[in-house]
Amino acid sequence: AQSVAQPEDQVNVAEGNPLTVKCTYSVSGNPYLFWYVQYPNRGLQFLLKYITGDNLVKGSYGFEAEFNKSQTSFHLKKPSALVSDSALYFCAVRDRGTTLGRLYFGRGTQLTVWP
Amino acid sequence: NAGVTQTPKFQVLKTGQSMTLQCAQDMNHEYMSWYRQDPGMGLRLIHYSVGAGITDQGEVPNGYNVSRSTTEDFPLRLLSAAPSQTSVYFCASSSGGEPGELFFGEGSRLTVL
Repeated sequence: AQSVAQPEDQVNVAEGNPLTVKCTYSVSGNPYLFWYVQYPNRGLQFLLKYITGDNLVKGSYGFEAEFNKSQTSFHLKKPSALVSDSALYFCAVRDRGTTLGRLYFGRGTQLTVWP
Repeated sequence: NAGVTQTPKFQVLKTGQSMTLQCAQDMNHEYMSWYRQDPGMGLRLIHYSVGAGITDQGEVPNGYNVSRSTTEDFPLRLLSAAPSQTSVYFCASSSGGEPGELFFGEGSRLTVL
């Protein structure tokens, strides 16, 4: 079975500070991993993905994520947070052997960046 | 670029009524899916389709029907609405290439009284 855990419902950081949003996963095979962001009353927007190779993946808006196979984690990071980064963030996973596009999502982490 | 278009954006139904949520994409994507989003639950897959004429159930299919007569359209039907179906519904599509990241519509907020 595939599953995704986002252990923190909320993350609060001050603007300019680094941020981390945590994600751990469970899949039977090798995963594709994704991060999406959702702004209020909007659909989800793709941020970045891990396919293979370099464990540090760079994505949109200055975000990056670190894949750690031994810890089955894919934490989202940004060196310097902006107030405009405040949103709901979702981690998602797909086993490479499963149906194309069928992603399993975590419950989401609400990121609040205060001025 | 339109991308994935969902209609209506808002809908209020009474218990037992039926309705169809429309979804259309203009990216020629093979894969389309419907998710529901509930507070604290993340996104749960309702139904999905890997191409015209092919559909399958996701995690929470009960109470919903789908069909895929064209590549572009993937409507979601509620045959007899229940309060438990109050949710925000998202349609998403993906191309045939790996790894299959999803492109989402703006969502349809449904309230069942």
